[in-house]
Amino acid sequence: DGGITQSPKYLFRKEGQNVTLSCEQNLNHDAMYWYRQDPGQGLRLIYYSQIVNDFQKGDIAEGYSVSREKKESFPLTVTSAQKNPTAFYLCASSIGVDYGYTFGSGTRLTVV
Amino acid sequence: AQSVTQLDSHVSVSEGTPVLLRCNYSSSYSPSLFWYVQHPNKGLQLLLKYTSAATLVKGINGFEAEFKKSETSFHLTKPSAHMSDAAEYFCVVSDPILTGGGNKLTFGTGTQLKVEL
Repeated sequence: DGGITQSPKYLFRKEGQNVTLSCEQNLNHDAMYWYRQDPGQGLRLIYYSQIVNDFQKGDIAEGYSVSREKKESFPLTVTSAQKNPTAFYLCASSIGVDYGYTFGSGTRLTVV
Repeated sequence: AQSVTQLDSHVSVSEGTPVLLRCNYSSSYSPSLFWYVQHPNKGLQLLLKYTSAATLVKGINGFEAEFKKSETSFHLTKPSAHMSDAAEYFCVVSDPILTGGGNKLTFGTGTQLKVEL
């Protein structure tokens, strides 16, 4: 079945470490997105990519980095520069504005 | 800029009674509107979408929503709540304004639906 796979489901990070969250899709979607979810704040856009080898900053890109070397993959790195990284991270993909997004099941990142 | 306001952060209903989750939007464009549902520690699932066709939109699991341009509203309803409907619901507006093309989804802050016996 087609879908989006995020891994790991849970991730723990020590202060000062970089961590990478995986997002893979087999839907053949060109566009992919990363959102951060915090309680009571809805979802906020971190980065997005409309096509391979191109990506743009979203509303809260500071402290994060991404790459898009393959159509299927859009990994997110949470760097040590992100001061408050504990959150639920959601990856999504889309085929067009009228179709909404397909979401992965998320990665919960906790700083220890 | 587009925005979404979900008027209730928590809604509690009894099983078998109607559900109403309220959403107002603001957009500079002709928006596409969506409702998503999220169960605990899960991703988001699309319930229904409005994309400038019929103003009354039917979705999955018996939910529907009516687009009212004059009121800038897109409220979600269901005639009879079921225990499995307990979840968080997000109203979302989509505008084709991202740099490099494509659409941006702006999310409301969510409404937590509780269904009691």
